[in-house]
Amino acid sequence: KAGVTQTPRYLIKTRGQQVTLSCSPISGHRSVSWYQQTPGQGLQFLFEYFSETQRNKGNFPGRFSGRQFSNSRSEMNVSTLELGDSALYLCASSLGGQQKNIQYFGAGTRLSVL
Amino acid sequence: GEDVEQSLFLSVREGDSSVINCTYTDSSSTYLYWYKQEPGAGLQLLTYIFSNMDMKQDQRLTVLLNKKDKHLSLRIADTQTGDSAIYFCAEKETGGGNKLTFGTGTQLKVEL
Repeated sequence: KAGVTQTPRYLIKTRGQQVTLSCSPISGHRSVSWYQQTPGQGLQFLFEYFSETQRNKGNFPGRFSGRQFSNSRSEMNVSTLELGDSALYLCASSLGGQQKNIQYFGAGTRLSVL
Repeated sequence: GEDVEQSLFLSVREGDSSVINCTYTDSSSTYLYWYKQEPGAGLQLLTYIFSNMDMKQDQRLTVLLNKKDKHLSLRIADTQTGDSAIYFCAEKETGGGNKLTFGTGTQLKVEL
């Protein structure tokens, strides 16, 4: 069974641009969560999508948005990029319906904003 | 609010046991997890424990949970150089969907 796939692996953008990251969950998984990892703030929850609906949202500005498609694939978008958005963005998928909800992570997309 | 704390660094000799500690503040946590992150990689789930358990053993890994003190530990027996990585504990609250709150991470260095 294929794992969680994130594309692209690396991105370089300049301030003010916008970016879209993609996540393909494990087959059969309906929940996709996104996290931002930075040296200063650590791992922080961005949002979770389940059956195409945002189920939970972290404390990030509205420039960060996401969506989920009917095949459970998810995208996140960051508009008007700032230098501080440079980070590793991790996606995690899970079945979504079980209490323990084991989350499996992708390798991440490393975004550099210049 | 949630807050999960870990010590930043641990160094051990190959073959010794490693103990990585974690404290959390949210008493409504249901599941607690340990993840491993190697350089340039995502997070690999190592093990998890349900909040009504005190201990869980999985091969070289032993998880201890003291719910009264909100303290979680991960013991790695016979630590190998391949265990060198950053280890994160994470908690999942009751409800709240799948949101995980992660600790700051402990960098484990295994020396020969």
